[in-house]
Amino acid sequence: DQQVKQNSPSLSVQEGRISILNCDYTNSMFDYFLWYKKYPAEGPTFLISISSIKDKNEDGRFTVFLNKSAKHLSLHIVPSQPGDSAVYFCAARGAGFGNEKLTFGTGTRLTIIP
Amino acid sequence: SQTIHQWPATLVQPVGSPLSLECTVEGTSNPNLYWYRQAAGRGLQLLFYSVGIGQISSEVPQNLSASRPQDRQFILSSKKLLLSDSGFYLCACSTGGGNQPQHFGDGTRLSIL
Repeated sequence: DQQVKQNSPSLSVQEGRISILNCDYTNSMFDYFLWYKKYPAEGPTFLISISSIKDKNEDGRFTVFLNKSAKHLSLHIVPSQPGDSAVYFCAARGAGFGNEKLTFGTGTRLTIIP
Repeated sequence: SQTIHQWPATLVQPVGSPLSLECTVEGTSNPNLYWYRQAAGRGLQLLFYSVGIGQISSEVPQNLSASRPQDRQFILSSKKLLLSDSGFYLCACSTGGGNQPQHFGDGTRLSIL
């Protein structure tokens, strides 16, 4: 049962344009969502997160949007740069004290075209 | 901030051989520790997590085990590796309560022959 889904395995975007990566979830108990970036042969690097009490969080070129009613979140990168080429994972955490486990999507490979 | 060390970076093992992967954390105390596996073309699957010394929770049944002999040390083991154990193994940690992200080490690429 895939509770966190990234339906686009790959995405190509021109340098300087906006990259939009999407993620859907099914578990309404998730209350904290994260995006990670991963280069080959390296561990994922934390990018940005959002709590379920918010609908937007911004950090520099990265913005995460959360639509709780649709159980959907997205990561916007603008402007896209060649160094943004990587695999992006979204992840979600359930509510409750001590519940630190994350459920990951299968990832989207982003390629920025110079 | 915390630093997560994993070794080895790459490992090739024959089927039926034992396994021991080590993860150590610096820069924090009493972290939550996690072992994940990423199989080829798949997402990250949580294998084990630990909230303290000697406390291990298993997420999926398998022939792997985990131990936490010290506060900042997490070990993934197997007595007999299977072909299906091939993958990229990642250790992660998180600290504090509230909304804190997990941070990952650089992983171990395990190939079973």
